[in-house]
Amino acid sequence: ELKVEQNPLFLSMQEGKNYTIYCNYSTTSDRLYWYRQDPGKSLESLFVLLSNGAVKQEGRLMASLDTKARLSTLHITAAVHDLSATYFCAVVVTNKLIFGTGTLLAVQP
Amino acid sequence: EAGVTQSPTHLIKTRGQQATLRCSPISGHTSVYWYQQALGLGLQFLLWYDEGEERNRGNFPPRFSGRQFPNYSSELNVNALELEDSALYLCASRKGQTLYNEQFFGPGTRLTVL
Repeated sequence: ELKVEQNPLFLSMQEGKNYTIYCNYSTTSDRLYWYRQDPGKSLESLFVLLSNGAVKQEGRLMASLDTKARLSTLHITAAVHDLSATYFCAVVVTNKLIFGTGTLLAVQP
Repeated sequence: EAGVTQSPTHLIKTRGQQATLRCSPISGHTSVYWYQQALGLGLQFLLWYDEGEERNRGNFPPRFSGRQFPNYSSELNVNALELEDSALYLCASRKGQTLYNEQFFGPGTRLTVL
C-alpha cells in the first residue's frame, strides 16, 4: 500500500527557533512536492524536488530530498508567525499526487 | 495568466441530493485532477481527466463521477450525497500527460451535506 507519512502531525513552534518536518514515502518516486495550505484555502506550491540530493531554499524554508532513503525534510529557520499553516508533502505516483498526512504548524510569539 | 477556477465556492446540499462542481483549467492545460479533502482523511486523489477521457480514479464509489468537456473544463458529480461527502474539493490542472509537469490547484469548492 502506498503511504506518505509526515511527522510531526502538529508542531508548536516558538518564534526565532529552528524546526524540521519529515516526510517518508513507501514507493519509488523521484519527484516530491511541498505545499502550504492556510485554513480554508487551497494549496500553494512551495518546492518541487526533482532528484536525489536536491535542495531548495526560499526565505526561511529549505527542502531536501533523499530518494534512496525515501525521505524529504522541510527545515524552518528562525520561525515567524507568518509561517503558521498546514504543510503537505506529496509524491507523484502513476500520474497522480499522493499526499502526506500534513503537519499543522503554529508559531507562537 | 488566469489560474485554475472553480465554482461554486460553497455548496450546501442535503443527504440524498446530487452535487455538481465545476473546474476551469489554466489555458493550455489539458489534464484536470480532482481531489477530496475531508476532515480527518487528508487529501485524496479522486479522478483524472485528460483530452476528454477519464484516465484514472481513486478509491471512491461510482456515485463520484465526472467528465471533461472539449474546452478541457471539467465537472465533478456526486450522486446520492452522504454526510461524509462533506469536504473541500480541489481541482488541479496540468499541461499534457507528461508525468513531470506540475499540477496547479484551484481555490476549491466547500461542499456541506446536511
